[in-house]
Amino acid sequence: EVQVVESGGGWVQPGGSLRLSCSASGFTFSACAMHWVRQAPGKGLEYVSGINDNGRTTHYGDSVEGRFVISRDDSRSTVYLQMSGLRGDDTAVYHCVKDLPGKYSFEYFGQGILVTVSS
Amino acid sequence: QSALTQPASVSGSPGQSITISCIGSNSDVGGYNRVSWFQQHPGKVPKLIIYEDIKRPSAISYRFSASKSGSTASLTISGLQAEDEADYYCCSFATTNNWVFGGGTRLTVL
Repeated sequence: EVQVVESGGGWVQPGGSLRLSCSASGFTFSACAMHWVRQAPGKGLEYVSGINDNGRTTHYGDSVEGRFVISRDDSRSTVYLQMSGLRGDDTAVYHCVKDLPGKYSFEYFGQGILVTVSS
Repeated sequence: QSALTQPASVSGSPGQSITISCIGSNSDVGGYNRVSWFQQHPGKVPKLIIYEDIKRPSAISYRFSASKSGSTASLTISGLQAEDEADYYCCSFATTNNWVFGGGTRLTVL
């Protein structure tokens, strides 16, 4: 059974930093691209970032480019999202998402972790 | 990258069919066969129901179908059931080398 579990969320002041982690199981992690998609309270889905299976190709949404960095550790079956320069509009539930291999789509969303940016 | 355009809400009666549109551009919807649709029930995580414009994962009901014409993608739900009441999001890979979502459509089953 596919499982992805996010951790590392919480409250941070504007301008601060936070690192999210996503631990995966139930599939061959090293063969799979992974993504982060967020959802602000009461709002729609927004693409945040993605990393391909070998870690050499990354993707970033326009609103986080230059502030967030995605990485992966296949030995731990974990993907990370290092967030810096956080702003109020980064407040959201961040979902770790398993890629649908080769299909440019998202197969499985984790339950998500809340990040609150506020003074 | 602008979000894809979806109607804020649609509604239909049980047994009827509804269609949700998703308007993009040649840089996303019209440029690739890479449109996906997701269903999200209140308090739940999004669930993939369509990928590569028209393909349905094996576990998804045949009542869900999709099409695309130019830069407009569409999701059709036939034989509406109460359990279909949810938010629906389209999503497309884009030339900016990332993905863009629509704003979401709230489906109400009357």
